[in-house]
Amino acid sequence: DAGVTQSPTHLIKTRGQQVTLRCSPKSGHDTVSWYQQALGQGPQFIFQYYEEEERQRGNFPDRFSGHQFPNYSSELNVNALLLGDSALYLCASSVQGGGTEAFFGQGTRLTVV
Amino acid sequence: DQQVKQNSPSLSVQEGRISILNCDYTNSMFDYFLWYKKYPAEGPTFLISISSIKDKNEDGRFTVFLNKSAKHLSLHIVPSQPGDSAVYFCAASALGGANSKLTFGKGITLSVRP
Repeated sequence: DAGVTQSPTHLIKTRGQQVTLRCSPKSGHDTVSWYQQALGQGPQFIFQYYEEEERQRGNFPDRFSGHQFPNYSSELNVNALLLGDSALYLCASSVQGGGTEAFFGQGTRLTVV
Repeated sequence: DQQVKQNSPSLSVQEGRISILNCDYTNSMFDYFLWYKKYPAEGPTFLISISSIKDKNEDGRFTVFLNKSAKHLSLHIVPSQPGDSAVYFCAASALGGANSKLTFGKGITLSVRP
């Protein structure tokens, strides 16, 4: 079992650019959540996808958007990047209606310069 | 406004002794609590969880205690091992368990001295 996989592992972008991060959930999981972890902080919830729809959203601007595909994989898109978007982006997968924990990927380290 | 607080940024204990990591929360709607461990360059790894209908949950060397009236939980690790050295995050959710939005604390860095 591959667990939750994220790509790429590291990324450097320029202010104003757009970025797409990818996540494949753990086998058997149908729900994907995205978190942003700034340096010295805990992960902050961005949004959650289930059945290809955004189900919950945290306090993030519309520049942050996502998508879930029929195979349950997911993308996180960030437009008009700001320096403050530099962070570790974590994807977590779980089973809707079951399971006791969410499994996290290793994250994508995004640096905006 | 931080709804989950881990007020001590770090903790150092001797190998073999008990590690006690504390966490406080302010949102009364939280009904499910989790502890995650994180090593550098890795994602958080689930350790143990507890529902608000319980006050204790045990899994091997790890025990989580929940005091709802004080809105406080703690993670006990006995005995502590050098491999336990990592950042520990407390997380909480409301009305959805692990499938709902998780609210995390800032984390505690645990160092276990050989």
